[in-house]
Amino acid sequence: AAGVIQSPRHLIKEKRETATLKCYPIPRHDTVYWYQQGPGQDPQFLISFYEKMQSDKGSIPDRFSAQQFSDYHSELNMSSLELGDSALYFCASSLEGEYTEAFFGQGTRLTVV
Amino acid sequence: GENVEQHPSTLSVQEGDSAVIKCTYSDSASNYFPWYKQELGKGPQLIIDIRSNVGEKKDQRIAVTLNKTAKHFSLHITETQPEDSAVYFCAASTTVYSGGGADGLTFGKGTHLIIQP
Repeated sequence: AAGVIQSPRHLIKEKRETATLKCYPIPRHDTVYWYQQGPGQDPQFLISFYEKMQSDKGSIPDRFSAQQFSDYHSELNMSSLELGDSALYFCASSLEGEYTEAFFGQGTRLTVV
Repeated sequence: GENVEQHPSTLSVQEGDSAVIKCTYSDSASNYFPWYKQELGKGPQLIIDIRSNVGEKKDQRIAVTLNKTAKHFSLHITETQPEDSAVYFCAASTTVYSGGGADGLTFGKGTHLIIQP
């Protein structure tokens, strides 16, 4: 079965640079979530989108922005990168309904040097 | 906002024994409680979930129980096998009925489960 696809899998950026992470949800899934996971940490919810509209917002820094496109893929844009932004970034997708199951991608490992 | 506490942080059991991981949550409005298994370098994998209208759910060697009054839920793994070794996360969420999408998950801190051969 098709899963959530994230690209790139690994990314190295310098401080103050920008990065764009992409997420392709499971076909027919209309909701996308972004999470940040530091080393040895639990995933922290950043932001989610349903039908191209922001549906929930977590601990996303103002330097980050995201959007969901008409084909339901999503992009997380990160500017003025800091060393502390180094982490695994996961995208998850679900099909909106009364109870939703979120399935995670393999993540993008971002390293800021 | 929601706060999820998870215990223990590390659990070591002999192969074939049972493992139990417990979580508590703070927001009484939470109504969806999934459990994820995460292996090194991989994304969290949904292994079982439970909704607030159910007290217990079982899938082969894995079971989850929910006590809404006490606001706690537990993962039970029986007949543990080496491949069960991983980090397990509990999570809680308040889902929204049609029209608004679901809220993000709040995760516990994780339990590193070690299965001793």
